[in-house]
Amino acid sequence: EAQVTQNPRYLITVTGKKLTVTCSQNMNHEYMSWYRQDPGLGLRQIYYSMNVEVTDKGDVPEGYKVSRKEKRNFPLILESPSPNQTSLYFCASSSSFRSTDTQYFGPGTRLTVL
Amino acid sequence: GQSLEQPSEVTAVEGAIVQINCTYQTSGFYGLSWYQQHDGGAPTFLSYNALDGLEETGRFSSFLSRSDSYGYLLLQELQMKDSASYFCAVRVQNSGGYQKVTFGIGTKLQVIP
Repeated sequence: EAQVTQNPRYLITVTGKKLTVTCSQNMNHEYMSWYRQDPGLGLRQIYYSMNVEVTDKGDVPEGYKVSRKEKRNFPLILESPSPNQTSLYFCASSSSFRSTDTQYFGPGTRLTVL
Repeated sequence: GQSLEQPSEVTAVEGAIVQINCTYQTSGFYGLSWYQQHDGGAPTFLSYNALDGLEETGRFSSFLSRSDSYGYLLLQELQMKDSASYFCAVRVQNSGGYQKVTFGIGTKLQVIP
């Protein structure tokens, strides 16, 4: 089954404790992206990757890091989480940055930073 | 940067037609997409327009006018299950060929009997 998976689905942590949210897709997609969703603000792109080893900042990259060492994986790293990073996070992928904009979203990760 | 405007809430009657508008301001415009999100779920892709005109997919249609920086999503024969949030999103391309995506804040559609 074609899918995007994220782990963990729920996470409660404390300020400053480094964490990683994993994202994996099994569709051989080139384009992958991380979004955060907050009430009243919609979905905001954090980082995106056009292909392996090619990443760029989205609209809200501060406080986040990403890496794309393999085509299927695109982890989101919070080196020193803060309460303002409490949010719902989605990973998404699409077949090519040249393709139609059919992004497939993962189920989401609800992060709470205390 | 990019900015998009769409209504925050729309209410419509089951069986009716509803149109959700989206206006945008951006540079490097590449295309406009629409996504549906039910409460507690992930966004799912509905439609994409890169060129002017109407795209039809079953009960859903999407329209784009690049000259007016405007698009809309048209939902016909509304069903109760269409109650959800609908997001427009613009894909922009910079001079290096990199493509970012910016979403609107979403329109919450409530379908009533």
